[in-house]
Amino acid sequence: ETGVTQTPRHLVMGMTNKKSLKCEQHLGHNAMYWYKQSAKKPLELMFVYNFKEQTENNSVPSRFSPECPNSSHLFLHLHTLQPEDSALYLCASSQVTDSSYEQYFGPGTRLTVT
Amino acid sequence: GQNIDQPTEMTATEGAIVQINCTYQTSGFNGLFWYQQHAGEAPTFLSYNVLDGLEEKGRFSSFLSRSKGYSYLLLKELQMKDSASYLCAVKEANYQLIWGAGTKLIIKP
Repeated sequence: ETGVTQTPRHLVMGMTNKKSLKCEQHLGHNAMYWYKQSAKKPLELMFVYNFKEQTENNSVPSRFSPECPNSSHLFLHLHTLQPEDSALYLCASSQVTDSSYEQYFGPGTRLTVT
Repeated sequence: GQNIDQPTEMTATEGAIVQINCTYQTSGFNGLFWYQQHAGEAPTFLSYNVLDGLEEKGRFSSFLSRSKGYSYLLLKELQMKDSASYLCAVKEANYQLIWGAGTKLIIKP
């Protein structure tokens, strides 16, 4: 595997379900990100982990719970979601010591909440 | 407040040139990115500007004017595969990128 991988690619869940999204980066980066992408809206940064420590939490509802067990893996735990949470969830990674902080994205998980 | 503006959609002809503009108002500035995103795929990095001027990379060029809060992405010799959304993002002083909503570029034969 190369780059940033995400599983599953598609997920349909009911409002009472609990599921988890997984992200893995194979680039040796030290920062990982969760974004939400809704149609015709800017990417919304949800969480940032730098060296496994959460550094940003942009007022995300508690029904989204991130976990970063090591610098290569990132999870997003989902429970009691709402239909408006349906979106593409993108994971990204970067090397924060690089001057540009260029972010590399995974293919995303298309989430539908019914 | 923080704001990134770019046109919602543009149409251009194969073989032609198109310029996608981006204006920004942010609390900090440490560089501007352009990303390309094909439908159903991940955004991929195109360019990064931190100083004023033009950066050229093959058929793609990106320009930045920090005093005007303005950037553009110039695509030359358009190909059908260039049909995609183009995202402008500003890096603030911390890890955060502030993103525009993207410009959907449609290439016609």
